[in-house]
Amino acid sequence: ETGVTQSPTHLIKTRGQQVTLRCSSQSGHNTVSWYQQALGQGPQFIFQYYREEENGRGNFPPRFSGLQFPNYSSELNVNALELDDSALYLCASSSGQNTGELFFGEGSRLTVL
Amino acid sequence: AQSVTQLGSHVSVSEGALVLLRCNYSSSVPPYLFWYVQYPNQGLQLLLKYTTGATLVKGINGFEAEFKKSETSFHLTKPSAHMSDAAEYFCAVRGANSGNEKLTFGTGTRLTIIP
Repeated sequence: ETGVTQSPTHLIKTRGQQVTLRCSSQSGHNTVSWYQQALGQGPQFIFQYYREEENGRGNFPPRFSGLQFPNYSSELNVNALELDDSALYLCASSSGQNTGELFFGEGSRLTVL
Repeated sequence: AQSVTQLGSHVSVSEGALVLLRCNYSSSVPPYLFWYVQYPNQGLQLLLKYTTGATLVKGINGFEAEFKKSETSFHLTKPSAHMSDAAEYFCAVRGANSGNEKLTFGTGTRLTIIP
């Protein structure tokens, strides 16, 4: 069974640029969530995708957008990067059967200069 | 709406001593409650969860937690700390019947084990 994998693991961007982060969900999972974890903080929910549709969104501006593909992998896109976007971005997959259990990847660490 | 408060951003215990990490929640609907652990430069791993049924929940690595509705608490305990328990621990909550799996996390507690 393959776990949740994310890429890239680390990246550096400058203010105003755009970034795309990628996530492959665990085998058999059709739901993907994205979280932002700033340094020293708990993860904050960005949004969730279920069967290619956004199914819940946290308090993040529209420049944070996402996609889910037919194979249930997902992308997180952030436009017009700001310094405060520097964080660990975590992807989590789940079975979509309301078990409450999320399986997290190791994250993509984004630094915005 | 849900929220979580973790009391104590840093906790230090001696190896072999009791571990107690505190979590209080607020939820307008019946909650699902979780504890996750995060080792340095890694993602989060589920330790245990409460959804319905028995209020004392056992998890991995010898950890357990008790859901106390009257106290709105879900404290994490382990009878005897091991050096490998050193990590960041996060308590999280979601509504039992929410339409998605959004978790609301606390700010975390860093556990240090003293040899």
